[in-house]
Amino acid sequence: GAGVSQSPSNKVTEKGKDVELRCDPISGHTALYWYRQSLGQGLEFLIYFQGNSAPDKSGLPSDRFSAERTGGSVSTLTIQRTQQEDSAVYLCASSLVRASGANVLTFGAGSRLTVL
Amino acid sequence: GDSVTQMEGPVTLSEEAFLTINCTYTATGYPSLFWYVQYPGEGLQLLLKATKADDKGSNKGFEATYRKETTSFHLEKGSVQVSDSAVYFCAPGLSTQGGSEKLVFGKGTKLTVNP
Repeated sequence: GAGVSQSPSNKVTEKGKDVELRCDPISGHTALYWYRQSLGQGLEFLIYFQGNSAPDKSGLPSDRFSAERTGGSVSTLTIQRTQQEDSAVYLCASSLVRASGANVLTFGAGSRLTVL
Repeated sequence: GDSVTQMEGPVTLSEEAFLTINCTYTATGYPSLFWYVQYPGEGLQLLLKATKADDKGSNKGFEATYRKETTSFHLEKGSVQVSDSAVYFCAPGLSTQGGSEKLVFGKGTKLTVNP
């Protein structure tokens, strides 16, 4: 597609429920990122997928968080047993990967998660 | 480990004032360096970038120079406008185990420019 598409744009859930957030990157972009943006916390790195390499999961805050990327395209971020502190905007970004670096990220509009 | 430190805000300036937002990083090798901006109600977008030492990235009157010796990439603008009000993020591309770069963002600096 023309841009990075994320769904849902808004999700309200009850504490303890599982949620899935979807990201559809720009066609041909081999790198895909998930970030979390909380009020006053800036942009927190969660996970990074690059081609067929093992994902960099170093930013996932707990084992309740997981993500997958099927077929090198669409990615799903899953949060199990949601807690109120999971409330945030979850941003997805994708990019080409050049050997020279300087990979410019294109961001989606984000999925706003509210846990009651 | 690799990290980025960005000047904390908020920053409030009058129109036509000079702006500096400091950014320093620790990284292995020489990463690419970026500034991203988030205008109110909009998504994150690239403002400028630099890929090697002494490179100067520039866009919309903003500039930042890649300083290898001080591992810094400070953002500057000589005369800010109300329309520059936004949150600014510094982001070095840090090495991954797979050999590629991943972008790790600073905490962001909120700039408000008053008329």
